[in-house]
Amino acid sequence: NAGVTQTPKFRVLKTGQSMTLLCAQDMNHEYMYWYRQDPGMGLRLIHYSVGEGTTAKGEVPDGYNVSRLKKQNFLLGLESAAPSQTSVYFCASNTGSLRDSPLHFGNGTRLTVT
Amino acid sequence: EDKVVQSPLSLVVHEGDTVTLNCSYEVTNFRSLLWYKQEKKAPTFLFMLTSSGIEKKSGRLSSILDKKELFSILNITATQTGDSAVYLCAVEGIIQGAQKLVFGQGTRLTINP
Repeated sequence: NAGVTQTPKFRVLKTGQSMTLLCAQDMNHEYMYWYRQDPGMGLRLIHYSVGEGTTAKGEVPDGYNVSRLKKQNFLLGLESAAPSQTSVYFCASNTGSLRDSPLHFGNGTRLTVT
Repeated sequence: EDKVVQSPLSLVVHEGDTVTLNCSYEVTNFRSLLWYKQEKKAPTFLFMLTSSGIEKKSGRLSSILDKKELFSILNITATQTGDSAVYLCAVEGIIQGAQKLVFGQGTRLTINP
């Protein structure tokens, strides 16, 4: 049982380039989330999805787009990368009820924008 | 604005010591507080607390919530080098009108042999 899988694990981009981070979960979870983690700032929610075909903004959505075309996949896109987007990105999923199902996290994607 | 503050941000102790990590919060419509342990990669779930004064325990780790004073502590007794990690506190709060987790900055705990 793989749980939550993120690809790629590492990526270096130049300013202005675009890329897509992929998150896949095999637990049949309804809710999926994208967080970024920066030193001294903990985890901050970028976007989330409460089901296939739906997405919503979190705390820090600017500069990112997301799509949830299939229940098991949640994609995070950067259209024009900026150095401020250098961070570690974590995907997470759960059933939707935090009391019944704490978040399950992927292993993260370390992104550097030069 | 909802916020979660952890202290200390960094702590270095010797193996066998007991440590206490702190988490204070201000969130709208509190529902639960969670503790996670993060070693090199993905955070892993430790505890969820919803009721004040009830201790959750797992081996050498324990946690308690005080809903009146708006804080929680995580205790680790007889620390081992494998306890070295970043410990994250998170609280269910309101983000953009929806119930979501708000994370603190984390406490980096280092256990020296």
